[in-house]
Amino acid sequence: GAGVSQSPRYKVAKRGQDVALRCDPISGHVSLFWYQQALGQGPEFLTYFQNEAQLDKSGLPSDRFFAERPEGSVSTLKIQRTQQEDSAVYLCASSLGDRGTGEQFFGPGTRLTVL
Amino acid sequence: AQSVSQHNHHVILSEAASLELGCNYSYGGTVNLFWYVQYPGQHLQLLLKYFSGDPLVKGIKGFEAEFIKSKFSFNLRKPSVQWSDTAEYFCAVTAIAYGNNRLAFGKGNQVVVIP
Repeated sequence: GAGVSQSPRYKVAKRGQDVALRCDPISGHVSLFWYQQALGQGPEFLTYFQNEAQLDKSGLPSDRFFAERPEGSVSTLKIQRTQQEDSAVYLCASSLGDRGTGEQFFGPGTRLTVL
Repeated sequence: AQSVSQHNHHVILSEAASLELGCNYSYGGTVNLFWYVQYPGQHLQLLLKYFSGDPLVKGIKGFEAEFIKSKFSFNLRKPSVQWSDTAEYFCAVTAIAYGNNRLAFGKGNQVVVIP
């Protein structure tokens, strides 16, 4: 596709449920990032993939958060046993290369609401 | 702590007024600097970036930003705003000290331009 796509766009979960959020990056982009954006805040880094390798997961807030990119393209962010504090917009971004000077292209985000 | 600071979270101004949004960062060493914009209902998109060379950077839609290394600043400016500039603006940094690839964002500036 022309840009980064994410699904679902909106997700409502009951506390304790597991959720899976999908990201389709721009074709051929090596780097893929997940960010979490709480209301009224800027996005905060969660994790980074270079192709299928997860090179940095230091931003994941707990072991309930898990991300994968098994074939180096589509990525899934999974949150187990969701809590109310997990409510946020989850943004996926991809970039062509693996250097910090590259533009990151963002998807529309998935708005997660945990009741 | 390492951070990106944006002040005056909400800015309201009239068309044709000048806009300046401040951004200060606290990362040492080499940094790459970005301004992203999010128009209502749209994705985050890159406005402009700086990684070397002329510290005065020109971006899309008449925006420019100046990197002042001694002040750890990267302020965004536009001489004459239009109603269509209503958006949220985020300053972001990549830095070797922060992992080099991932973006560290400020909290954003919500800008409303009154026709």
